[in-house]
Amino acid sequence: KQEVTQIPAALSVPEGENLVLNCSFTDSAIYNLQWFRQDPGKGLTSLLLIQSSQREQTSGRLNASLDKSSGRSTLYIAASQPGDSATYLCATNSGYALNFGKGTSLLVTP
Amino acid sequence: DTGVSQNPRHKITKRGQNVTFRCDPISEHNRLYWYRQTLGQGPEFLTYFQNEAQLEKSRLLSDRFSAERPKGSFSTLEIQRTEQGDSAMYLCASSLRQLGRETQYFGPGTRLLVL
Repeated sequence: KQEVTQIPAALSVPEGENLVLNCSFTDSAIYNLQWFRQDPGKGLTSLLLIQSSQREQTSGRLNASLDKSSGRSTLYIAASQPGDSATYLCATNSGYALNFGKGTSLLVTP
Repeated sequence: DTGVSQNPRHKITKRGQNVTFRCDPISEHNRLYWYRQTLGQGPEFLTYFQNEAQLEKSRLLSDRFSAERPKGSFSTLEIQRTEQGDSAMYLCASSLRQLGRETQYFGPGTRLLVL
């Protein structure tokens, strides 16, 4: 059974800092990995999807990398803003169902 | 808006009552998923449909839970004889698998509170 772990569980940074969120998974037989953002009490917004054959994806200030062989992915957020405050979830896809980590709760202070 | 929609957004019910949630996927998407999320946890897979066929069910989906997707369009998730442990956010997602690639798009969720 795929186990997805996200570290740290919570993170607080001042505005403007660059930061890295980590995601690890136990089974490397994945089709892709997705990073999501979730605001309190809301649904999930897809940020980036990395296919298993890719090493990274970029969207604006976000960059996600994937090292399938070591079972790791990172989400890099450049020049953080208070509006980035949310919970960030990573999820692996090995066929149909997504396997989620518990998320990293990010607070960016002005 | 062409996103995934879910209704109701919030539901409060008494233990033992039945509840039904609805999900309207993105119109051209043939796959539809249900997940459940409890506080502080990531979403957990419940079931999925390809068109109108229910292809997989998690062991989390007890016999009190039933899901349908008539005509391969919207889907309903019914919980019979609700228990306090059913309190959670129920999330629906849809996707279209093309050329081996698939991105799941999530709705806003239905938050259930069982008293």
